[in-house]
Amino acid sequence: NAGVTQTPKFQVLKTGQSMTLQCAQDMNHNSMYWYRQDPGMGLRLIYYSASEGTTDKGEVPNGYNVSRLNKREFSLRLESAAPSQTSVYFCASSEATGWGSYEQYFGPGTRLTVT
Amino acid sequence: AQSVAQPEDQVNVAEGNPLTVKCTYSVSGNPYLFWYVQYPNRGLQFLLKYITGDNLVKGSYGFEAEFNKSQTSFHLKKPSALVSDSALYFCAVSRVNKYIFGTGTRLKVLA
Repeated sequence: NAGVTQTPKFQVLKTGQSMTLQCAQDMNHNSMYWYRQDPGMGLRLIYYSASEGTTDKGEVPNGYNVSRLNKREFSLRLESAAPSQTSVYFCASSEATGWGSYEQYFGPGTRLTVT
Repeated sequence: AQSVAQPEDQVNVAEGNPLTVKCTYSVSGNPYLFWYVQYPNRGLQFLLKYITGDNLVKGSYGFEAEFNKSQTSFHLKKPSALVSDSALYFCAVSRVNKYIFGTGTRLKVLA
């Protein structure tokens, strides 16, 4: 099993450009998440999908959109990139929708720089 | 409000010595608590979790954590540190529909 995979690994964008980060999991998990990691701030939730067909905003959703394409795939789109979106982006998945007891499994991350 | 704090940005320990990485939390009701580890240029990996029951939780790679309700703490421990334990460690708390990560503690094990 590959677990959680993300593409691309690195990306440089100019301000105003758009891009989509792809994420896929092969663990048959119901829930998927997008986080950003910034120095000194830990991980902050951008969007999540509790189950196929549903998406909800997290802590920092502004400037992003998501699509839960099917049970395996959850993409994150930046419509008009800004320097403040320079960060490392992680996709994660968990077995079920309960926020309580389920651990999350993370992809290797995408390092995005917006100039 | 739900929150988790990791008071130390960095912890240094000599190889072979016991290590402790601290975590305190604030949440109403019974928390679910997690520890994750992040190696350079990798995603987070789950180490262990506390849901209910025994206050001492054992996890991967010889790590354990002690849940202390009165002190609202969930410190990560290992009896004998290895150089390969050097990494960034995150505590997380979950309750209802929120999953909050701490800011991380960098552990450096010195040979």
